[in-house]
Amino acid sequence: QVQLQQSGPGLVKPSQTLSLTCAISGDSVSSNSAAWNWIRQSPSRGLEWLGRTYYRSKWYNDYAVSVKSRITINPDTSKNQFSLQLNSVTPEDTAVYYCAREGFGELSNWFDPWGQGTLVTVSS
Amino acid sequence: QSVLTQPPSASGTPGQRVTISCSGSSSNIGSNTVNWYQQLPGTAPKLLIYSNNQRPSGVPDRFSGSKSGTSASLAISGLQSEDEADYYCAAWDDSLNEWVFGGGTKLTVL
Repeated sequence: QVQLQQSGPGLVKPSQTLSLTCAISGDSVSSNSAAWNWIRQSPSRGLEWLGRTYYRSKWYNDYAVSVKSRITINPDTSKNQFSLQLNSVTPEDTAVYYCAREGFGELSNWFDPWGQGTLVTVSS
Repeated sequence: QSVLTQPPSASGTPGQRVTISCSGSSSNIGSNTVNWYQQLPGTAPKLLIYSNNQRPSGVPDRFSGSKSGTSASLAISGLQSEDEADYYCAAWDDSLNEWVFGGGTKLTVL
């Protein structure tokens, strides 16, 4: 049974970098049949997909256009985890951030499970 | 403004059947499968339906999903008080190359 455990600060100052980590148990970040995602949720923007990292003989990343210039998602194979870095944050980035495993079927994929969520507030 | 359109609210009495719609376009629902997530108050979303109409193990068969063209629906039969939650649809969008979500539907059990 796959479990995801998030960690990271809940308060970030404007213009600084938001950093979160998602530790994986029950699966490998290097799995050829999964992708590792970050998703956020706020009252104003709802659920918003931010990006993912995955391994298919080499590492790939996909990012949402809305954050592409500010985001980095990195795998850490030594600790079996992956991280989110979002630069130059503003109060608009205040949200609950989730990590999620993306599983793949024959013609479909889905998010399961999700991490517990981390409320990140951007404020001075 | 979410890419996928859901009604903001739905309601029903215990035992009733309710449906929640999710409307998209040819680049998302029209081209790819739809997943549904249930979010109980104060918790992370949980996979409820995947690949349009498949239930993960442990999800009661009271929950069912369907898709037609650029729209999808979630049906809940034999409504129970513990079904009170927010429900979200999601699909991959081939034009945006991103996952897109509906705005969510808050289900109230009267």
